[in-house]
Amino acid sequence: GAGVSQTPSNKVTEKGKYVELRCDPISGHTALYWYRQSLGQGPEFLIYFQGTGAADDSGLPNDRFFAVRPEGSVSTLKIQRTERGDSAVYLCASSLAGSAGELFFGEGSRLTVL
Amino acid sequence: GNSVTQMEGPVTLSEEAFLTINCTYTATGYPSLFWYVQYPGEGLQLLLKATKADDKGSNKGFEATYRKETTSFHLEKGSVQVSDSAVYFCALNSNTGNQFYFGTGTSLTVIP
Repeated sequence: GAGVSQTPSNKVTEKGKYVELRCDPISGHTALYWYRQSLGQGPEFLIYFQGTGAADDSGLPNDRFFAVRPEGSVSTLKIQRTERGDSAVYLCASSLAGSAGELFFGEGSRLTVL
Repeated sequence: GNSVTQMEGPVTLSEEAFLTINCTYTATGYPSLFWYVQYPGEGLQLLLKATKADDKGSNKGFEATYRKETTSFHLEKGSVQVSDSAVYFCALNSNTGNQFYFGTGTSLTVIP
């Protein structure tokens, strides 16, 4: 498709399990962002990629969270030892430019940790 | 630091009413400002943007003017429709980094 694709759309897991969330950005978009959105809140920045490298990972809450983008296209957000507080919608967005360019969002992956 | 504060909702209006959703910001440097909209069951999408002071962004009958003196970017529409029911997010990009900062969102419901 032409838009940003995120899988899975819903993920239910148990506390302590490992989770991977995938983002396939718009073809040709060099910038890729991960955000987390809790109920009633705005998107909270997690990490930004320019190409293959993480240009800014200051939003990752702790070392249980990690993201990769090995070929500069698809990205995977990895969460180890999940906690109930990790439950949220994880949003991916891509952009042609890293600064002041329009963000194109996927529909998000809803993570529920029981 | 950089932050966005927007009017809390939820907001309920009758069709054809005038809409204002307030947004103020704090930023280092000269940010670009955005309104994003999230319709039910869909992802966030850009509604409009302004990249410098006094610029007016507009789209689908919505407008917002970048006011540097009041650090504001209020969203307005003269006559809302039921199809405008959505959650609206004000956001900024500081242009010195690559983060976009979002407000908490304002839910709008328009009733016939």
